[in-house]
Amino acid sequence: GESVGLHLPTLSVQEGDNSIINCAYSNSASDYFIWYKQESGKGPQFIIDIRSNMDKRQGQRVTVLLNKTVKHLSLQIAATQPGDSAVYFCAERFTGANNLFFGTGTRLTVIP
Amino acid sequence: DTAVSQTPKYLVTQMGNDKSIKCEQNLGHDTMYWYKQDSKKFLKIMFSYNNKELIINETVPNRFSPKSPDKAHLNLHINSLELGDSAVYFCASSQRDNQPQHFGDGTRLSIL
Repeated sequence: GESVGLHLPTLSVQEGDNSIINCAYSNSASDYFIWYKQESGKGPQFIIDIRSNMDKRQGQRVTVLLNKTVKHLSLQIAATQPGDSAVYFCAERFTGANNLFFGTGTRLTVIP
Repeated sequence: DTAVSQTPKYLVTQMGNDKSIKCEQNLGHDTMYWYKQDSKKFLKIMFSYNNKELIINETVPNRFSPKSPDKAHLNLHINSLELGDSAVYFCASSQRDNQPQHFGDGTRLSIL
């Protein structure tokens, strides 16, 4: 399953499939990007980050891809599990700024 | 051990009252933040603060004021509460501004 975070706020995938959540960020001068997962009633939880001098970074079952040419960030989740159901946010840090700016979020629902 | 803790988790009060939300982090981080999350899940930075500098988002009304008794605490005081202040408020901390922020579980503020 694939979504554009800003235009399709929901994504449903079958358990075991791979998920791709996309984010179009706003500032070409941003130098740091993070993906967060937020479950109901909880605060955002750090998943993975990437700096602008990289185009790919892998974690456990997750991969973040950064395309600076088109200002696009994606989060790939391998073998999606029911526990992955949550709202996912991308965030960017503008160079020289000291805080993050969050995207609108994508709700991922995993169908058992 | 909770890394970033906020109290209370729920706060229900009447318009015009003054209230405070407390935040503590035991991560030894230098910078703390307050965010507001609206009903559409949009996360917006309100303040960032370290022992040297307070950065205020200029769109935040001056009824909101952060107060930091020490490096591990950043409390949020709100005067003359208004209906539009109803939201979930998140505290976060990070070691530096280009490193992941760790969030508390939020305080849901409801104004009657």
